[in-house]
Amino acid sequence: EDQVTQSPEALRLQEGESSSLNCSYTVSGLRGLFWYRQDPGKGPEFLFTLYSAGEEKEKERLKATLTKKESFLHITAPKPEDSATYLCAVQAQRGTGNQFYFGTGTSLTVIP
Amino acid sequence: ETGVTQTPRHLVMGMTNKKSLKCEQHLGHNAMYWYKQSAKKPLELMFVYSLEERVENNSVPSRFSPECPNSSHLFLHLHTLQPEDSALYLCASSSPGGSNYGYTFGSGTRLTVV
Repeated sequence: EDQVTQSPEALRLQEGESSSLNCSYTVSGLRGLFWYRQDPGKGPEFLFTLYSAGEEKEKERLKATLTKKESFLHITAPKPEDSATYLCAVQAQRGTGNQFYFGTGTSLTVIP
Repeated sequence: ETGVTQTPRHLVMGMTNKKSLKCEQHLGHNAMYWYKQSAKKPLELMFVYSLEERVENNSVPSRFSPECPNSSHLFLHLHTLQPEDSALYLCASSSPGGSNYGYTFGSGTRLTVV
């Protein structure tokens, strides 16, 4: 079954306390893995796209990595403004088109 | 603003009401989507329009009726909804087949059915 699983469901960090969010997937025909950030009452906002195992992308305090079965979103020295829900999505080829499979997200709270 | 605008931002409606959600994008995308987001569930794809034609309808109840009059506008018409339809409804757009950025999402309409 095509599935995307994110863990943990919720994470509370002290400001400056680095950690990682996990996204594991059992989706065949991977075309890309996407990370989004979603603030309360808003739609998801694009962060990264990863295409192949071993690829890494960085943006400020965030770094995303990809293996054949999972992706990690590493947060280094987080700040309160990093508090949000982080969504992972896998884009897979289905027939002549594509389909997105979303995880349920990790809710991150960074405490000052 | 992401380039995808949804109105209204909040909507409270009774089970016998009829209302519509509106989505507008001027990003040059020609695929548009409606998603439903409920607490602790993955985003649920409802409808896909590509080049103004509906290409996907994921077993959505008939009380939800989409309309795509042109490549920049998408509507979701609602009637006789149930309380379990309360959720955040997200509109998204992309190039057909996706892009390096996946979808561009709007801010959503928070729907409450009473």
